[in-house]
Amino acid sequence: ETGVTQTPRHLVMGMTNKKSLKCEQHLGHNAMYWYKQSAKKPLELMFVYNFKEQTENNSVPSRFSPECPNSSHLFLHLHTLQPEDSALYLCASKRGGDTGELFFGEGSRLTVL
Amino acid sequence: GQNIDQPTEMTATEGAIVQINCTYQTSGFNGLFWYQQHAGEAPTFLSYNVLDGLEEKGRFSSFLSRSKGYSYLLLKELQMKDSASYLCALMDSNYQLIWGAGTKLIIKP
Repeated sequence: ETGVTQTPRHLVMGMTNKKSLKCEQHLGHNAMYWYKQSAKKPLELMFVYNFKEQTENNSVPSRFSPECPNSSHLFLHLHTLQPEDSALYLCASKRGGDTGELFFGEGSRLTVL
Repeated sequence: GQNIDQPTEMTATEGAIVQINCTYQTSGFNGLFWYQQHAGEAPTFLSYNVLDGLEEKGRFSSFLSRSKGYSYLLLKELQMKDSASYLCALMDSNYQLIWGAGTKLIIKP
């Protein structure tokens, strides 16, 4: 139990579907992150929010749309995805500031058909 | 540019010692992290080194040499539960994390 909860754990969707991934952290952290993890590849940073403000968008296609309504919740809205978007999507949080370790959720395994 | 390399896979025997290496190239450095990730689970923080030398935490130790662009994670008295992927991550001059692809460690009885 890392204090970061992601739902759903598994998601299968067609290319025309719209779905959302949810992340909630119970650690009182101020920074939240979305990462993409593909097999045998480094973690890819997608989005960063600090105090609910987006501070990083790492050239992510617009078919991925993040939302951070408060410091404890983070969403990733998905629409018209491609099969190559199939991956594990990890949410993470951090206390805030530049240093310190990340606390990760267990991820949402996404399969796009 | 920035680059991190670590072996893709390693195999070791229960009770033995294993060293997982991580080499990097970067123009700016604010520390190096190691994370452990069991299959289907969240990555969890193991260690952070920003100064040269060895940091010991129980069975796990992490070493850093900034001049050589080199770190290693040392696991002693290996247990079956240590089978996992080990991720090396560099914090650059902008405090951004640059990740390695991870080393899958397989422990055999």
